[in-house]
Amino acid sequence: GAVVSQHPSRVICKSGTSVKIECRSLDFQATTMFWYRQFPKQSLMLMATSNEGSKATYEQGVEKDKFLINHASLTLSTLTVTSAHPEDSSFYICSVSLTGPNYGYTFGSGTRLTVV
Amino acid sequence: SQQGEEDPQALSIQEGENATMNCSYKTSINNLQWYRQNSGRGLVHLILIRSNEREKHSGRLRVTLDTSKKSSSLLITASRAADTASYFCATSPGRRALTFGSGTRLQVQP
Repeated sequence: GAVVSQHPSRVICKSGTSVKIECRSLDFQATTMFWYRQFPKQSLMLMATSNEGSKATYEQGVEKDKFLINHASLTLSTLTVTSAHPEDSSFYICSVSLTGPNYGYTFGSGTRLTVV
Repeated sequence: SQQGEEDPQALSIQEGENATMNCSYKTSINNLQWYRQNSGRGLVHLILIRSNEREKHSGRLRVTLDTSKKSSSLLITASRAADTASYFCATSPGRRALTFGSGTRLQVQP
């Protein structure tokens, strides 16, 4: 089946530094990827939609200059958290919608970001 | 934004018992999906039910959909300790991003 590889799985960084999270579709091409954020014991909230070859679409309240998304190829989307602060500590997950009559979505394994 | 609410928020049962969780949503849908998330991990697609379907089965899973009430339920029969996870319903317009319910944390005691 379709596999999305996300890494790193965990990262700890200092306040003020930047962190890059990668999401790769391993055996298919993905023109669109979705980035979610999940705080502890809460649901997933959509941050942005990553579009190959064009600018990402951000949800209301998500700072595009803080959460930089690059989707330069059909198999790779990256999310960079710039000038990270402790309140950015969260679980970040990427996702791709699948094609076919019974399409669902496949998810990366997530990245646990801790900003200290 | 979240599509709707799930209840219960948390559920603790014994192995062998059935677990039922409910989901309500707000907008019209083409389909509704259920996902499972183990602690600190990504999501796994469990089952998709289309808006013109009322019930669907997959192994020990049974999903119902009531579009008039904008609600769905997920039943896990004969639960196992390995079913311990969070369960989310989700909807999307076409192939746009999913909107998730608030989730149910299921604990199955061995």
